[in-house]
Amino acid sequence: DGGITQSPKYLFRKEGQNVTLSCEQNLNHDAMYWYRQDPGQGLRLIYYSQIVNDFQKGDIAEGYSVSREKKESFPLTVTSAQKNPTAFYLCASSVEGTGAYEQYFGPGTRLTVT
Amino acid sequence: AQSVAQPEDQVNVAEGNPLTVKCTYSVSGNPYLFWYVQYPNRGLQFLLKYITGDNLVKGSYGFEAEFNKSQTSFHLKKPSALVSDSALYFCAVRVQPLYNFNKFYFGSGTKLNVKP
Repeated sequence: DGGITQSPKYLFRKEGQNVTLSCEQNLNHDAMYWYRQDPGQGLRLIYYSQIVNDFQKGDIAEGYSVSREKKESFPLTVTSAQKNPTAFYLCASSVEGTGAYEQYFGPGTRLTVT
Repeated sequence: AQSVAQPEDQVNVAEGNPLTVKCTYSVSGNPYLFWYVQYPNRGLQFLLKYITGDNLVKGSYGFEAEFNKSQTSFHLKKPSALVSDSALYFCAVRVQPLYNFNKFYFGSGTKLNVKP
């Protein structure tokens, strides 16, 4: 899982509560990403950030928010507006640029909302 | 639109036999292609990538992949499967970008089962 940590590994919340997932990297990467993984659907991009203090919506950003105040950190908040938040969430980072840079993934956080 | 297809949800193979996990892609432009592996409740681990040049790419843990431009495929292979290879495998593509954003398109994943 490289130099990316995600916490907690498992998270349980009641419906209607906001919850924040942590992602930290020590790879000195400029770019960071949040993905959502559901069975049989592969990975879907929620948000990405190419540089500190800047981030962009991905394909499924509704009901989520992020911040990028430090290069090392890219926390994801799952808000009560997200209609189906139960999923496995993966954070990734990469070198920024136009080359064939692979993404490095954290170990993931499994969120269960009841 | 860019897309990646993994036509098999599951592949079963006996230990010691060769394995192939299929991937096809549809992109506008020249692709960078990647394979990742995921063990249960873990993140994705990078296996190998194709950039340009030799169509056969060698990667981690004895895996290799063959790029075929005419068939737009990038199949993952291993000459002799191990039980420990059992996992979920993802193919991903990134187009040599017009924009400076490292967006990946992932396939839906193929579960590889290697039986003793």
